[in-house]
Amino acid sequence: NAGVTQTPKFRVLKTGQSMTLLCAQDMNHEYMYWYRQDPGMGLRLIHYSVGEGTTAKGEVPDGYNVSRLKKQNFLLGLESAAPSQTSVYFCASGGPGSLSYEQYFGPGTRLTVT
Amino acid sequence: AQRVTQPEKLLSVFKGAPVELKCNYSYSGSPELFWYVQYSRQRLQLLLRHISRESIKGFTADLNKGETSFHLKKPFAQEEDSAMYYCAPGGSEKLVFGKGMKLTVNP
Repeated sequence: NAGVTQTPKFRVLKTGQSMTLLCAQDMNHEYMYWYRQDPGMGLRLIHYSVGEGTTAKGEVPDGYNVSRLKKQNFLLGLESAAPSQTSVYFCASGGPGSLSYEQYFGPGTRLTVT
Repeated sequence: AQRVTQPEKLLSVFKGAPVELKCNYSYSGSPELFWYVQYSRQRLQLLLRHISRESIKGFTADLNKGETSFHLKKPFAQEEDSAMYYCAPGGSEKLVFGKGMKLTVNP
């Protein structure tokens, strides 16, 4: 099993450009998450999904949109990138089927917005 | 509001010294409690969960419900323990991650 994979691994955007980050999991998890990791700020939840076709806002949702059209995929979109969105983005999956709400993380996507 | 505090950002010790990584939380209900670890240039991974009451890589974590703390301890640190450590209380849908603490174990 590949676990949780993320595409791309690195990306540089100019202010105002858009992009989509793809997260895929092969563990049949119901729940999926997008976090951003910034120095001194830890992990902050952007959006999450508790099942196919559902999404919910996390702690820092502004400037991002998500979609969960298939159970195994969770997409994070930036419609108009800003330098404040320079960060490392982690996807995770978990929920029913995994022991006690444990989350499994992807390798991360390093995004720089200039 | 759900909140988790890791009061120290950095901890540097010598190999063989004891370490304690502190975590205090404020969470409604009875959260499940986790410690996650991130080694250099690697993804976050689960270190241990309270419900299992296990010792992983020599680490244990003590839950004190009265003080709402879940401190991580290891009696003899090793160089390979150098990493970022995150405390994370949570419920069925979400975990709340602390800001993390960087542990450096020097030879």
